Amino acid sequence: AQKVTQAQTEISVVEKEDVTLDCVYETRDTTYYLFWYKQPPSGELVFLIRRNSFDEQNEISGRYSWNFQKSTSSFNFTITASQVVDSAVYFCALSEAGYGGATNKLIFGTGTLLAVQP
Amino acid sequence: SQTIHQWPATLVQPVGSPLSLECTVEGTSNPNLYWYRQAAGRGLQLLFYSVGIGQISSEVPQNLSASRPQDRQFILSSKKLLLSDSGFYLCAWRGTGEGNSPLHFGNGTRLTVT
Repeated sequence: AQKVTQAQTEISVVEKEDVTLDCVYETRDTTYYLFWYKQPPSGELVFLIRRNSFDEQNEISGRYSWNFQKSTSSFNFTITASQVVDSAVYFCALSEAGYGGATNKLIFGTGTLLAVQP
Repeated sequence: SQTIHQWPATLVQPVGSPLSLECTVEGTSNPNLYWYRQAAGRGLQLLFYSVGIGQISSEVPQNLSASRPQDRQFILSSKKLLLSDSGFYLCAWRGTGEGNSPLHFGNGTRLTVT
């Protein structure tokens, strides 16, 4: 069965610090997809990144970077030089490839609340 | 471009009252639609999904039901609310055949059952 674990419930950092959010997943499939979403205080979920299981290259987008390691079943998210606007709940999610369609459910972790203090 | 609308944004309802939350998507046809609930612990739980008009799949047994009367309309209902139905309800969509594309979420409805 699929499972996503975000062991860090809450993290508090001071502005300009780097912070890494951990995500560990479980799946029996060899083909799967991993996602990160951001949920600011307003509540909507904002898509950040999708990574498929065959692409282990790390990705950088501005101050955001993602480290995907199949050997440890982890897909960690690092924010460099954090800012107050980064304060949000961050969710990691997993989807098994299957045959496509609606039944490829997105299974979410419980989220990590990141508080960036000025 | 595609947009998704959910309403109302907030709702306070007494126990035993009915519920109707609505979600509509614009700018796409035959989307796959989803209802998620986020309870106090922040985890997101998939409640229902739909691949087409009148086609509803339920993920967990509960006091809620869903309907899709039109291609881009998804409704979450209850005949009698329970205290445990309180939470943040999110509607989401993805394109047909895009099985592993990201879900696009609405702004959510915060439901408090008193």
